[in-house]
Amino acid sequence: GAVVSQHPSWVICKSGTSVKIECRSLDFQATTMFWYRQFPKQSLMLMATSNEGSKATYEQGVEKDKFLINHASLTLSTLTVTSAHPEDSSFYICSAREGTGMGTQYFGPGTRLLVL
Amino acid sequence: GEDVEQSLFLSVREGDSSVINCTYTDSSSTYLYWYKQEPGAGLQLLTYIFSNMDMKQDQRLTVLLNKKDKHLSLRIADTQTGDSAIYFCAETGTGRRALTFGSGTRLQVQP
Repeated sequence: GAVVSQHPSWVICKSGTSVKIECRSLDFQATTMFWYRQFPKQSLMLMATSNEGSKATYEQGVEKDKFLINHASLTLSTLTVTSAHPEDSSFYICSAREGTGMGTQYFGPGTRLLVL
Repeated sequence: GEDVEQSLFLSVREGDSSVINCTYTDSSSTYLYWYKQEPGAGLQLLTYIFSNMDMKQDQRLTVLLNKKDKHLSLRIADTQTGDSAIYFCAETGTGRRALTFGSGTRLQVQP
């Protein structure tokens, strides 16, 4: 089956530093990847849609300069949290969709970010 | 906009059936999904159903879709302690590529 990986699985950083999270589709090509954020005991909130070779589409209220997304290839998207602050601490989950249709999204295992 | 709602909590005894319910508002929903999330982990796709289907069965899982009432349910037969997790209902529709998630239902299975 389709596998999506994320790296790192968890990260602790100091306030003010930047953190990069990678999302890879391991056995399929993903034209579109999605980045979600999940707070404890809450549902997933879509942050942005990442399209290979073009700029990401951000959801309302998500700062594009704060959360930089790059989708450089059909198997890799990165999310960089710039100048992280404690309120950015969360569980970040990516998903990838194969092809260009409305097929199933496969989710990565998530990255837990803790900003001190 | 799209809205998906689920009850927050369900407790069942091991061996019983569990039924997790979900309602959605968008009549153009095309694909409806059930995902499972265990503590500290990502989402695992359990099953999905197209909007032109009423029912889908996959081993212990049965999905029922009432399109008229915009109601989706997931039935887990012979529930096991390993089924304890949070179950998310999600949907997407024509013209949309991202998923809209419900708040998740925490299933607790008592031995």
